[in-house]
Amino acid sequence: DQQVKQNSPSLSVQEGRISILNCDYTNSMFDYFLWYKKYPAEGPTFLISISSIKDKNEDGRFTVFLNKSAKHLSLHIVPSQPGDSAVYFCAATGSARQLTFGSGTQLTVLP
Amino acid sequence: DSGVTQTPKHLITATGQRVTLRCSPRSGDLSVYWYQQSLDQGLQFLIQYYNGEERAKGNILERFSAQQFPDLHSELNLSSLELGDSALYFCASSPRTSGSQETQYFGPGTRLLVL
Repeated sequence: DQQVKQNSPSLSVQEGRISILNCDYTNSMFDYFLWYKKYPAEGPTFLISISSIKDKNEDGRFTVFLNKSAKHLSLHIVPSQPGDSAVYFCAATGSARQLTFGSGTQLTVLP
Repeated sequence: DSGVTQTPKHLITATGQRVTLRCSPRSGDLSVYWYQQSLDQGLQFLIQYYNGEERAKGNILERFSAQQFPDLHSELNLSSLELGDSALYFCASSPRTSGSQETQYFGPGTRLLVL
């Protein structure tokens, strides 16, 4: 039973364009959502987060949108850069605070 | 650099053996979380400690155990190892525990290979 789903295993985007990564969740008790970026054989690196009381959070080129009614969040990267190529994980947490991860999306930014 | 350190970086051992993975959290963080990343299961939560006490358990096998010491570093002990235990093991830390929305910062991981 996957509580956090990333349905796109991979995404390719041209440099300078927008990358949109999507994530769906099923557990309505989740109240904090995070995006991590991961390179092979390295630990996940925190990118951006959003509380369930907000619908948008922005940090530089990264923006996360949360649609609670649809139980959907997305990460927008504008403009995309070749260095953004990595696996992106969506994660969610409730009161217990352990992270539940999606399966990840491999983003490739083409020069 | 997240400030979370893990040793060793790589570990190769045989089935039936026991290993210990070590994690030092970020300075000031009281919570330590252990996660396993395997090819077929993705990133999964194993166990959480807060200020020396176990706070939550996830999909952790009975052959695995952990502890957090007074200096807040944590160790994950894996025993009677099986081929399927081969995975990346990550430690993460955060300042507090349940009730607050905090970001967890991850260490670089320990890659375990069981032959």
